[in-house]
Amino acid sequence: GAVVSQHPSRVICKSGTSVKIECRSLDFQATTMFWYRQFPKQSLMLMATSNEGSKATYEQGVEKDKFLINHASLTLSTLTVTSAHPEDSSFYICSAKDPSNQPQHFGDGTRLSIL
Amino acid sequence: AQTVTQSQPEMSVQEAETVTLSCTYDTSESDYYLFWYKQPPSRQMILVIRQEAYKQQNATENRFSVNFQKAAKSFSLKISDSQLGDAAMYFCAYRRNEKLTFGTGTRLTIIP
Repeated sequence: GAVVSQHPSRVICKSGTSVKIECRSLDFQATTMFWYRQFPKQSLMLMATSNEGSKATYEQGVEKDKFLINHASLTLSTLTVTSAHPEDSSFYICSAKDPSNQPQHFGDGTRLSIL
Repeated sequence: AQTVTQSQPEMSVQEAETVTLSCTYDTSESDYYLFWYKQPPSRQMILVIRQEAYKQQNATENRFSVNFQKAAKSFSLKISDSQLGDAAMYFCAYRRNEKLTFGTGTRLTIIP
């Protein structure tokens, strides 16, 4: 079946560092991908919708300059957390829209820890 | 804005028994999808079952079935013959125009 690969699975870095997370659709072309954030013991919150070849659409309250999204190809979207601070520590999950109208396929997530 | 409510933060069930997880949602739309996702400790999101709002028949996937009450905006998940591997967080989700809105989740514990 369709698979979405997310990398890295775990990141630990110092405050002020920028961190890039990749989301790849492995066997289908994804014109649309989604980025979610999940705090401990909480639900997934949609951060932004990533559209191939165009600007991402951010949800209300999400800083677009803080969370840079690039969807340069039909199989890759990246989320860059710029100048990360401890409050950015969280679990980030991507998903990709399957063009066959199947449910979104999720990556395995990235646990980001900012020291 | 759509909201999804899961009123049971935690549930437990004896192995081999049946458990029902509740979910209600709020929408003014008539065309949408509903999902149940399972998130084990590995944090991977696993699709359990989905329901198209235009279908009156309740979806079923092996031991998992839903009770979809469109007028009441209710979408409960029934797990039959519970197994130890069913232990996880369960999220109800609403989808309209590709955007997913998740409930707060129910942590299901299976008692051996």
